[in-house]
Amino acid sequence: GAGVSQSPSNKVTEKGKDVELRCDPISGHTALYWYRQSLGQGLEFLIYFQGNSAPDKSGLPSDRFSAERTGGSVSTLTIQRTQQEDSAVYLCASSLGGAGDPSETQYFGPGTRLLVL
Amino acid sequence: SQQGEEDPQALSIQEGENATMNCSYKTSINNLQWYRQNSGRGLVHLILIRSNEREKHSGRLRVTLDTSKKSSSLLITASRAADTASYFCATGNSGYSTLTFGKGTMLLVSP
Repeated sequence: GAGVSQSPSNKVTEKGKDVELRCDPISGHTALYWYRQSLGQGLEFLIYFQGNSAPDKSGLPSDRFSAERTGGSVSTLTIQRTQQEDSAVYLCASSLGGAGDPSETQYFGPGTRLLVL
Repeated sequence: SQQGEEDPQALSIQEGENATMNCSYKTSINNLQWYRQNSGRGLVHLILIRSNEREKHSGRLRVTLDTSKKSSSLLITASRAADTASYFCATGNSGYSTLTFGKGTMLLVSP
């Protein structure tokens, strides 16, 4: 079936504006993750959703960042009052999650490249 | 933190040569995975090795895991220009919500 999709592919915004990034996970995957990757760096964990459980928000860098997952499927990552340091590629991944093991293989979307001017 | 760290940071080789990348981590793990990333976009899963395994093969890929040294290596044999990408190791532990990724090794394979 279809893989993980993300939109938009690229987003350019002005400092102080709010942005919304969308992720459509693979159908049937109960676990969904958001990561941030700055230029030339590794992946920084942001937030993790598993089924109907409360999300793990421990990686969110500030209260300007929030995410929700509606109906256990699509997720939206919102960044309020964007700053230049928010510029990065935002990656979404999903996994089956059925076994309750969050360390299983993750399937990544193509990412959203965010540039804050 | 159980963050994996890849070594070297960058590797440049000729087509046909073998490429070896290493990963070290700090705490106990359930599994270790290798991912590839092209052009700063989404990551593609390559191979997963569990903590009770020592070696695993997939096509031209060979992964080893030494839990006593908390290290893993990824070997790509007979490399091709299309193997040019960044390679990340990621460690999994059921005590954490997600995988923990290293900063990656950038591999350049020249024709």
